Parts: sequence; C-alpha cells; structure tokens
Amino acid sequence: EVQLVESGGGLVQPGRSLKLSCAASGFTFSNYYMAWVRQAPTKGLEWVASITNSGGSTYYRDSVKGRFTISRDNAKSTLYLQMDSLRSEDTATYYCTSNPGFAYWGQGTLVTVSS
Amino acid sequence: DVVLTQTPPTLSATIGQSVSISCRSSQSLLHSNGNTYLNWLLQRPGQPPQLLIYLVSRLESGVPNRFSGSGSGTDFTLKISGVEAEDLGVYYCVQSTHAPYTFGAGTKLELK
Repeated sequence: EVQLVESGGGLVQPGRSLKLSCAASGFTFSNYYMAWVRQAPTKGLEWVASITNSGGSTYYRDSVKGRFTISRDNAKSTLYLQMDSLRSEDTATYYCTSNPGFAYWGQGTLVTVSS
Repeated sequence: DVVLTQTPPTLSATIGQSVSISCRSSQSLLHSNGNTYLNWLLQRPGQPPQLLIYLVSRLESGVPNRFSGSGSGTDFTLKISGVEAEDLGVYYCVQSTHAPYTFGAGTKLELK
C-alpha cells in the first residue's frame, strides 16, 4: 500500500523557518518526481515546488523562490521542504504528492504563520 | 501562467443523475511530446485529493468507470454517469504541461 506521511507543520512566527518532511513507502520512491502542493484554509490547491527523481533539478512557484527549498533523500525515501522567511500568506495545509501525475497524496500537514 | 477555468463552480445533483464539469485552459495543454497533461482530482471533505483521471481520459486504477474524461487542446470535460453519494466533494482539474503547474478553482458537487 502506498503511503505518504507528512510531518513538521505547526505554528510559526512570520520571518521564521520550518522544515517539512514526507516519508514514503509502498512504491519505488527513487523512480518518481515529487512535489509539494498547498491549500490555504477554505481555498483551492496550489502547486509549490517539484523535484526530479534524482534530485538534480528543482522547480518553484514565483512566490516561494528564494525562500523555500525542496530536497529529497532517496536512501530514506523522504521528501523535504525547507521554508524560510515565512509569511502569513504561506499559511496552508501542505501535501506531498507524486509528480507530474498527482497519483499519490499524503494526508497533509498544517502550517500556520502568525504572530 | 496557464489559467484553468472550471464551470460550474457548484453543481447540485440527485443520486443517479449524470453531470459534467468543464475545464477550459488559457492555452493549449498539448505537450511537445504529444501528451496532454490534464488530470482530474476529487477532494472529499476533510480528505486529501485523489486522482480520478490522467492524461485527459485515462481512468486511474480503482476509480469507478462512471467517471470519464474527454477533450483536447484547451477544452476538457469530466463526466459522472450516475452520481453516487460517495462522489460528493470538490473536483479540480490540474495541468502539468506547462510550468508552473496550475489547478482550476474547483467545482463543488452537492446533493440536491
């Protein structure tokens, strides 16, 4: 059974940092591109960042470029999202998902940016 | 960025009714490799999204065949042939032909 389990969310003050993790199992993680997608409270889905299966290339939406870093450890089957200089508009549930097909999704982890 | 416009924003249906959702793109989603990367997702209340349809019309494994997708270029449709109670939630189209990947605003399917 495919599982993606996110962790690392929580309440953080504006300007601070947070690192999300996504532990994968049930599929060959190293064969898949992966992505982070977020959903602000009561809003729709928004792609945040993607990474190739080797980790050699990464892609970001403009609003997080220079602040967020996506990475992966294929030996640990884990995806990461380092989030720096957080803003109130980054408040959302963050999902990890396989890419570009969006076939696999985690349950999400809530990040709240507030003073 | 590619804008995906979904209509209607809300859909009221009775059990057994057939319904359709439209997703129109601001530019063609035909990739240079010949594929069209347009998928449909369903997000049930309190749940993460789940993939229903990929590459416009291919049914994801385990998804009931009352769901079907069609379209090409910039116009796409998701059809549910006989709504069931478990189909209620928000439907999203998403494109991954062009970076950044973009989602439609969603169509909420409710029971009438």
